[in-house]
Amino acid sequence: EVQLLESGGNLVQPGGSLRLSCAASGFTFSNSDMSWVRQAPGKGLEWVSGISGSGDSTYYADSVKGRFTISRDNSKNTLYLQLNSLRVEDTAVYYCANTAAGAFDYWGQGTLVIVSS
Amino acid sequence: EIVLTQSPATLSLSPGEKATLSCRASQSVHSYLAWFQQKPGQAPRLLIYDSSNRVTGIPARFSGSGSGTDFTLTISSLEPEDFAVYYCQQRYSWPPATFGQGTRLEIK
Repeated sequence: EVQLLESGGNLVQPGGSLRLSCAASGFTFSNSDMSWVRQAPGKGLEWVSGISGSGDSTYYADSVKGRFTISRDNSKNTLYLQLNSLRVEDTAVYYCANTAAGAFDYWGQGTLVIVSS
Repeated sequence: EIVLTQSPATLSLSPGEKATLSCRASQSVHSYLAWFQQKPGQAPRLLIYDSSNRVTGIPARFSGSGSGTDFTLTISSLEPEDFAVYYCQQRYSWPPATFGQGTRLEIK
């Protein structure tokens, strides 16, 4: 059974940083592209970032480019998202998702990031 | 960036009725369109991929159709557990992936 478990969400001040993690199991992690998708309170879904199975290729939405960094450790079956220079508008539930050529077939339960002073 | 527009924003129907949800793309996405269901407090769940392929375990009352710029998700006879928010998403221009703004299906 595929399982994705996010962690690391917290309350942080504007300008601050956080690192989110996503622990994966039940599939061959190193063969799978992965993504982060976020959802602001009461709003829709926004794709944030993606990474290839090897980690060699990374992709970002314009809204986070230069501030967020996606990475992975295939030896630990874990996906990461480093969030820097956080803004109030980054407040959201952040989901990790298994990504097959842009298709999000499995999702974690999400981790909440609140950016507020 | 490809923009997806869903309609209606809210759909009010009764159990047993048929639901028809629409998703229109700003340019052709061929058949690379998916549909998700999201219930309060839960992660989205993939229902349909590549326009018309139902995910294993999704009831047959859910069906998808369309190609190019116009797509439809149909729920043939609504069950109480079907009332939720539905999103479409395209992967033709991956990356990025883009989502529609959602259709809320509520009980009338």
